[in-house]
Amino acid sequence: AQSVTQLGSHVSVSEGALVLLRCNYSSSVPPYLFWYVQYPNQGLQLLLKYTSAATLVKGINGFEAEFKKSETSFHLTKPSAHMSDAAEYFCAVSERGYGGSQGNLIFGKGTKLSVKP
Amino acid sequence: GAGVSQSPSNKVTEKGKDVELRCDPISGHTALYWYRQSLGQGLEFLIYFQGNSAPDKSGLPSDRFSAERTGGSVSTLTIQRTQQEDSAVYLCASSLRGSEQFFGPGTRLTVL
Repeated sequence: AQSVTQLGSHVSVSEGALVLLRCNYSSSVPPYLFWYVQYPNQGLQLLLKYTSAATLVKGINGFEAEFKKSETSFHLTKPSAHMSDAAEYFCAVSERGYGGSQGNLIFGKGTKLSVKP
Repeated sequence: GAGVSQSPSNKVTEKGKDVELRCDPISGHTALYWYRQSLGQGLEFLIYFQGNSAPDKSGLPSDRFSAERTGGSVSTLTIQRTQQEDSAVYLCASSLRGSEQFFGPGTRLTVL
């Protein structure tokens, strides 16, 4: 069975500091991996996805994530935090299927990012 | 183009009543998903429709929950005899087969 663990339910950084949000996954098959962001009272927005084309994935708003199979990790980073990055971030996994991601997403519990001025 | 839309945005109901939540997916998307987001449980998968295939209902928490998708487009999630633990935000997403899921803004359900 697939699962996702996000270390740290809350992360606080200063504006301009490095953002690092941790995600580890468990999957019996090669997975697709995703990071979503949720701003207050809004739905989920895709930040980036890993589909095996490259282990370092660049997403929107300056975020990137690196797939490390040996560590079963897919941590999200951003070199310099901005106040507008304050939101909740969710890591998710889905199974590989023919033609791409198959079926539902399994989400981590989420990490709430606060950015201090 | 238009994204995934959901209605109503907020629903307050009394315990024991039935509720219907609606999802309009992105036009042309063959896959549609329902998830539930609550404080205690995080984001949980409920049900998945893919084209004309039988839906994957493996995430539905009880037989009080059901969903249908008419004409391969609009979907309705029905909760019968609502309980207080059903209070949550219900999110709908759609995708092209094999592609990323696009989420709607959600319906916040409060059961009094």
